[in-house]
Amino acid sequence: GESVGLHLPTLSVQEGDNSIINCAYSNSASDYFIWYKQESGKGPQFIIDIRSNMDKRQGQRVTVLLNKTVKHLSLQIAATQPGDSAVYFCAEEPYGQNFVFGPGTRLSVLP
Amino acid sequence: EPEVTQTPSHQVTQMGQEVILRCVPISNHLYFYWYRQILGQKVEFLVSFYNNEISEKSEIFDDQFSVERPDGSNFTLKIRSTKLEDSAMYFCASLWRGGSGGYTFGSGTRLTVV
Repeated sequence: GESVGLHLPTLSVQEGDNSIINCAYSNSASDYFIWYKQESGKGPQFIIDIRSNMDKRQGQRVTVLLNKTVKHLSLQIAATQPGDSAVYFCAEEPYGQNFVFGPGTRLSVLP
Repeated sequence: EPEVTQTPSHQVTQMGQEVILRCVPISNHLYFYWYRQILGQKVEFLVSFYNNEISEKSEIFDDQFSVERPDGSNFTLKIRSTKLEDSAMYFCASLWRGGSGGYTFGSGTRLTVV
């Protein structure tokens, strides 16, 4: 399949550990944010979203934190599993405009 | 679970040739998008489409690009005269807009221009 992101920042974690992936967004007018997961050869897949009126949202094994003051978004994955290995993108949506994707981080889960 | 389907999965074309990338969005979705991803780079917005017309396009989406929704199910991206730099993964996405959840992306078409 397609090899995406050969030169992306890489985060390597041991299986079972928690992962934290960070993203700095650019537009202070953005009011909606999504984390996507992209596995090799596949399209981006929705993981979790958050609106700007929140600073934390939890899903199953994932948590997104939003710090609007410093325009920072993070994705926390609890008990990281081999199936979590992928490239992770944050995407921001300035109000009324289309999503803008960040550069991506490759998560590598070590056995 | 509903899917966005893209065909072909891989297309190789000669520089200067026309290509048409095809997408079948999720049936009750109203908004349609094309994004591209050059190898090693981030996902870039090309065009959005709603109510049978382009609603927004990026600077990448120049006169060589066009989109169509020829019937009730297909959504196509045409590149009239391909250039080497058009080589990329092209992703179609659709959205209902009724709430949160973001786009649903297809698996992409890898376009290789030689």
